[in-house]
Amino acid sequence: DSGVTQTPKHLITATGQRVTLRCSPRSGDLSVYWYQQSLDQGLQFLIQYYNGEERAKGNILERFSAQQFPDLHSELNLSSLELGDSALYFCASSVRDRVLGANVLTFGAGSRLTVL
Amino acid sequence: AQKITQTQPGMFVQEKEAVTLDCTYDTSDPSYGLFWYKQPSSGEMIFLIYQGSYDQQNATEGRYSLNFQKARKSANLVISASQLGDSAMYFCAMREDNYGQNFVFGPGTRLSVLP
Repeated sequence: DSGVTQTPKHLITATGQRVTLRCSPRSGDLSVYWYQQSLDQGLQFLIQYYNGEERAKGNILERFSAQQFPDLHSELNLSSLELGDSALYFCASSVRDRVLGANVLTFGAGSRLTVL
Repeated sequence: AQKITQTQPGMFVQEKEAVTLDCTYDTSDPSYGLFWYKQPSSGEMIFLIYQGSYDQQNATEGRYSLNFQKARKSANLVISASQLGDSAMYFCAMREDNYGQNFVFGPGTRLSVLP
């Protein structure tokens, strides 16, 4: 268990609908990253938050939005869903590894979204 | 331009043999980190090994080692004594300490270990 919690694990919905994916970082982690992994593809960076503020934005569609709340959990909202939005959505947090002396990305188990 | 390139979409290796997964990267940031992650068929992302740009020695972690050639901008993952459980997707990633500080991932290499 990485300590990064994502819900739901699986979600099936229809085109045109809206869904919300939730992520709770490890206790004490201030950062949240969202990534999208389409079938047999690499990870595409969507957006990063740090202590409630947006830090960086990647290839996130306008139909997608996210926020990080005061309790540091984050939500990724996907609207007007299309078939191509079917993917595994990962949340991750970055914390400094004292042994390595570097920030390491720790992933949640992912939320698998299927759009029919 | 691609920041992380993994030129091997798929690799096969015989059990107990060693295998090298290639990764090249592109950055002008003098300070960066390189990471390898494993993604088994179950889907989770597992951190394997890290190499900092200023590290003089190649990183090692159990059966994993990272062949870091800074001038060539390559960070190949070497898995020794392959096991069936090593069959998975492997992703190389980079984090630039000064430019964006995001983790950028390569397209991955699917490794299949043959009995």
